[in-house]
Amino acid sequence: QVQLVESGGGVVQPGRSLRLSCAASGFTFSSYGMHWVRQAPGKGLEWVAVIWYDGSNKYYADSVKGRFTISRDNSKNTLYLQMNSLRAEDTAVYYCARGSIAAAGTAFDIWGQGTMVTVSS
Amino acid sequence: SYELTQPLSVSVALGQTARITCGGNNIGSKNVHWYQQKPGQAPVLVIYRDSNRPSGIPERFSGSNSGNTATLTISRAQAGDEADYYCQVWDSRRVFGGGTKLTVL
Repeated sequence: QVQLVESGGGVVQPGRSLRLSCAASGFTFSSYGMHWVRQAPGKGLEWVAVIWYDGSNKYYADSVKGRFTISRDNSKNTLYLQMNSLRAEDTAVYYCARGSIAAAGTAFDIWGQGTMVTVSS
Repeated sequence: SYELTQPLSVSVALGQTARITCGGNNIGSKNVHWYQQKPGQAPVLVIYRDSNRPSGIPERFSGSNSGNTATLTISRAQAGDEADYYCQVWDSRRVFGGGTKLTVL
C-alpha cells in the first residue's frame, strides 16, 4: 500500500542540527513532488518546504529559509529535511506529504504518521 | 502574504448538516483543498480543487468556493466526523487556514 514513514526526530538543543528522513513505498516516488509540513503542539498546520519530483526546484517557508534544506534520493525512495540552527519555535511534529497530481501538486494526498522534533536546552 | 480565516469551532447535531467556512481575498479564484485531522493522527485530504473527493471519502463530504468564501459541507454528520478541519490554498507558498474544530452533538 501507499505509505510514507518518517524518522529522525528527537530532542535537540537550540542551535544544533537534525536530519529527518521519509521513506516512501507503494508508488513511483520519482514521479511526485514531495513536501514537509509541521504542526507545533496544539497548533495548526504549517507548510515547510517542497521539492519537485526530480529535485530540480525547492521552495521554503520564510520561517525556515536559510536554515532548512529539503532533498531527495529517488534511487532510495527517500525524502530528507536537514534542519540547522534549530530554534525553540521549530518544535513540532514534522510530516512528509505527497503532492497530489490530481490537484496539480497544490494539495497533499498522502501523509506520513509524523516525527516529533523538540528543541530545548 | 495571503491569509485564510476559519471559525475556531462549529457544532452540529448528529445527523444534521455541518458547514465550515474558509475566508480569503478573492478565494474563489483559487483552488481550495480541505483536510480532516483527528486527535493524534495525520491529516487526511477530504476535498481537493474546491469540490472533488479523493477515493474513499464519503459522498457526505462536499465543497464549494465562490467570491471570498469556500465552504466544506458535511451532510448527515456522524460522531466519527468529529475532528479538526483545515482549508488550504497555494499562493506562492502552501497556505493553511487556522483550523476549525467540529463537534457533533
